[in-house]
Amino acid sequence: DTEVTQTPKHLVMGMTNKKSLKCEQHMGHRAMYWYKQKAKKPPELMFVYSYEKLSINESVPSRFSPECPNSSLLNLHLHALQPEDSALYLCASSPGIRTDTQYFGPGTRLTVL
Amino acid sequence: DAKTTQPTSMDCAEGRAANLPCNHSTISGNEYVYWYRQIHSQGPQYIIHGLKNNETNEMASLIITEDRKSSTLILPHATLRDTAVYYCIVRPDNTDKLIFGTGTRLQVFP
Repeated sequence: DTEVTQTPKHLVMGMTNKKSLKCEQHMGHRAMYWYKQKAKKPPELMFVYSYEKLSINESVPSRFSPECPNSSLLNLHLHALQPEDSALYLCASSPGIRTDTQYFGPGTRLTVL
Repeated sequence: DAKTTQPTSMDCAEGRAANLPCNHSTISGNEYVYWYRQIHSQGPQYIIHGLKNNETNEMASLIITEDRKSSTLILPHATLRDTAVYYCIVRPDNTDKLIFGTGTRLQVFP
């Protein structure tokens, strides 16, 4: 298995909903990442997990809560989002950290109403 | 902030070589040059990376100038499926971060 999978592909939620995004990889990678990409903009890093521990939080609002239950799985829990949080959420993984190449999933397209 | 400058857009005829330039005049000795591309509404796809030497793989070639202040990604025989936004990224060897710039939108036409 040489890919990063993300579910769901699309998600529509209201501002009072709680939802979660899921990311999975079975390549034995020990680092996983969440990025956010607004329309017509480049991806921006949100979180980095290294060996299942949060190593970077790019000052992301607390309404986004990451979780890494094991080395293959990364979740992003969403609560009380705003319409401006609508974006493509991308997950990536790499064998380790630092110079290791990151491999991206297809993303989850999130719309907040 | 991104440390690279790329043209906003480029066109290329199908079957011809696509040469995508990138300026990184402030690059440091321990910083790698990475190239990714993103086809519409998909996740970024890794293409190639290098430090000092030119690199080639099954997708592309990366030519880095001797002073390392610029590089060129070469797709030897562009196809319609190569239409995408191409990102050139300078990445220090002591960071987990990929900082994407605005990229070059490559349009391959028949």
